[in-house]
Amino acid sequence: RKEVEQDPGPFNVPEGATVAFNCTYSNSASQSFFWYRQDCRKEPKLLMSVYSSGNEDGRFTAQLNRASQYISLLIRDSKLSDSATYLCVVNYAGGTSYGKLTFGQGTILTVHP
Amino acid sequence: EPEVTQTPSHQVTQMGQEVILRCVPISNHLYFYWYRQILGQKVEFLVSFYNNEISEKSEIFDDQFSVERPDGSNFTLKIRSTKLEDSAMYFCASSEVAGFQPQHFGDGTRLSIL
Repeated sequence: RKEVEQDPGPFNVPEGATVAFNCTYSNSASQSFFWYRQDCRKEPKLLMSVYSSGNEDGRFTAQLNRASQYISLLIRDSKLSDSATYLCVVNYAGGTSYGKLTFGQGTILTVHP
Repeated sequence: EPEVTQTPSHQVTQMGQEVILRCVPISNHLYFYWYRQILGQKVEFLVSFYNNEISEKSEIFDDQFSVERPDGSNFTLKIRSTKLEDSAMYFCASSEVAGFQPQHFGDGTRLSIL
């Protein structure tokens, strides 16, 4: 089983649409969770951290279900500039580990006019 | 906003040569990381570094690789005897605190081995 698994995508949506991405992780001892976005051939950029209580940042809402080891990202009112690859990222830090990030393979989102 | 900076942006090297990739982490960050991304594949962890020593490394990070913090600002990744399969984007990242804090990435070095 992959450590971090995401929807295969790609997602192709019109401007203004709502789109949801899902992600599961296998290490139940994982401690922190993030969504990053990556534009073509660029570095991963932090979109938002994900908290157990759920959190929102403008049009973006992230949810975490530790019992199911499941993370989601909801994007409302999609913009052309949201077109990117969305990376589900999990961080395990404990014992001798100082925060190795484990990435999903990414889900490609294309928002069209 | 503080940034992680990496040089060079693109490095082309003959197979078998040594390369050094350079990074300047964010100044008040204490934890440093290298990741790589082979074209079309996911981002993979290579190594983490704290308090002037490696704290964790992946299976990829074998004797061919080494890291160093030669002064108070730079953090380098050395790859000896490069192979074709070392061609990838190499990202440096840093974080203020390990664990819950997110890591901030530099814009990467594209390494092409010929």
